[in-house]
Amino acid sequence: SAVISQKPSRDICQRGTSLTIQCQVDSQVTMMFWYRQQPGQSLTLIATANQGSEATYESGFVIDKFPISRPNLTFSTLTVSNMSPEDSSIYLCSVEREDRVGEQYFGPGTRLTVT
Amino acid sequence: AQTVTQSQPEMSVQEAETVTLSCTYDTSENNYYLFWYKQPPSRQMILVIRQEAYKQQNATENRFSVNFQKAAKSFSLKISDSQLGDTAMYFCALSGAWYTGKLIFGQGTTLQVKP
Repeated sequence: SAVISQKPSRDICQRGTSLTIQCQVDSQVTMMFWYRQQPGQSLTLIATANQGSEATYESGFVIDKFPISRPNLTFSTLTVSNMSPEDSSIYLCSVEREDRVGEQYFGPGTRLTVT
Repeated sequence: AQTVTQSQPEMSVQEAETVTLSCTYDTSENNYYLFWYKQPPSRQMILVIRQEAYKQQNATENRFSVNFQKAAKSFSLKISDSQLGDTAMYFCALSGAWYTGKLIFGQGTTLQVKP
């Protein structure tokens, strides 16, 4: 199994500012994913990040708001830009288990509160 | 479009008893994968069980088993001998066989195991 860490675990930010969330995996993986989980809600995929290419964003999410970097096979960042209170959520990264289609390992999440 | 529906927002069960969580889904694909994920209050998402649609045999993992009804597009999770540590939010999720990395999650069911 993959061990995934995220930094920070939580943060409180002022509206209009930006926060960069880091995701580190203990093994090389092809695909990394970023999800948003609004309070008491389900998970929604923001984007898929492959090393060496632009991230692929889901409908309703744009690169200007959620820029993603994937500099190598074990690391990715998600930036939440120009934040508003509506961005208050848990942000989770995950990786695909490459020998079992569809299975993903999840990081512990970053709890973001925007005031 | 693929959808996953969990119609039970909250459930409770006495310790040592059995509980069944419901999930229905819709997909136009003939082959796909279904999952149950668990998110305890600590919020680390954990895979509980995986079902491949082309396999008729229901998946089991220790105390966890599924009832997969492909024609009815139903995928329920049965937890036997419930334990206090089973208290969590449970998500049903769907992934296409031609893997794009996208997991479609249901709304979640909060399960409370009572002593």
